[in-house]
Formats: sequence, structure tokens, C-alpha cells
Amino acid sequence: QQPVQSPQAVILREGEDAVINCSSSKALYSVHWYRQKHGEAPVFLMILLKGGEQKGHEKISASFNEKKQQSSLYLTASQLSYSGTYFCGTPPRAGGTSYGKLTFGQGTILTVHP
Amino acid sequence: DSGVTQTPKHLITATGQRVTLRCSPRSGDLSVYWYQQSLDQGLQFLIQYYNGEERAKGNILERFSAQQFPDLHSELNLSSLELGDSALYFCASSVEPDPNYGYTFGSGTRLTVV
Repeated sequence: QQPVQSPQAVILREGEDAVINCSSSKALYSVHWYRQKHGEAPVFLMILLKGGEQKGHEKISASFNEKKQQSSLYLTASQLSYSGTYFCGTPPRAGGTSYGKLTFGQGTILTVHP
Repeated sequence: DSGVTQTPKHLITATGQRVTLRCSPRSGDLSVYWYQQSLDQGLQFLIQYYNGEERAKGNILERFSAQQFPDLHSELNLSSLELGDSALYFCASSVEPDPNYGYTFGSGTRLTVV
């Protein structure tokens, strides 16, 4: 089942902050975050694992609340380069082979203006 | 360059035709995933391969098939094409078919069926 992202779109000025949420009606084992610029491939940002381990980006942080089955991506002091569509992706199971496939949310469009 | 190579970049073909999309994973990655991205459906998982073997299937139509070859490149075959098959098709690769590893996406093949 597809995770649900909110908001659908955000418009910011440079230097402002934003939070993008990803929630699931099923148990979350880990959450991946990707950013896609228009006409380009999605680019990996980070993975959040159970137990709080986080792998990925230096300037973008995220949280993972297993009990609430949700994750939030925090974009602070946004830059023009942050513009794009952000997707969260969730696997069907915890770590282990054969469960690498991700189901992605519908995306959140972030636009940063000068 | 992400290291994942997809060819061709663009493809225009007529309804009823058959096409083959090709993907070479990033060096060292054994797992390949195919996704379809359309405006109203977001990123939809099609199929996953690991070291030549099919590992997971998503909402892949019977008219579509894929395989991964001994050199690890993968091909997605789409036949009896319909207008609704027009979309961006992405290939992604990861080191392991494990949700604790991030994906590297290729630049995609834009398929237009006329």
C-alpha cells in the first residue's frame, strides 16, 4: 500500500524551512527519501532505519517514528537547489534479501524562490 | 552520471508495437529494479531482479516482461503497446536487494505511444 505524503506542494523563499511528512497505514521497517528534479532521475537522499540509524545526506535531516508509522524530512535554510519533487519509499519487510523493492508516496513538490 | 545507464533516452512508437528498454546497473550492483512513472500514478514498481533471478513483481502487465542477463544488464520488453503505456520508465540498481541500501536511478527512457 502506497505511503501518503503531505503536503502535496510547498512554496518557500530561500532560507526558509520546510517539513515533508510520510505516513503509512502499515508497519514501517525503514523509510527512504529521494529528490527528483523536473525531467531528471530521482536521487537518493537518505534512509532511516528502525532504531534511529540514519544514512545519507549531510544538510537534510529526517526523523522516523515507528509507533506512529511516519517519517518527516526537514529542510532547513532552503536553497534554490532544493527545488524538486520529494518522494518517500517504504519496503514491504525489514532488512534482508528479496525485500529491496520500494513503494513510493505520491510525491511533494517543493519550490524555492530567490 | 549516476552510473546506471539506460537506453534509449526517448522512444516514440505506434500502438500495437513492441519495444525493448535496456539498463546497465552501476558497477558492483547486483540488484535491478524497474519503475514506471506517469503523471497520475507516480513511481510504480514493476519488477526486481537480483543476480539474474527474478525476486519480486509489482503491478506489471502481462504484455510486459523483463530479464537480467549474466553480465547483469537488464531489459524490459513492452509489447502490444497502448496509448496508456506512455510514461517514463526508470531502472534503478542497488548493491543488495535489501531495503537497507539506497537505489541509484538511471536517467530513464521516455516512451511515447502514438
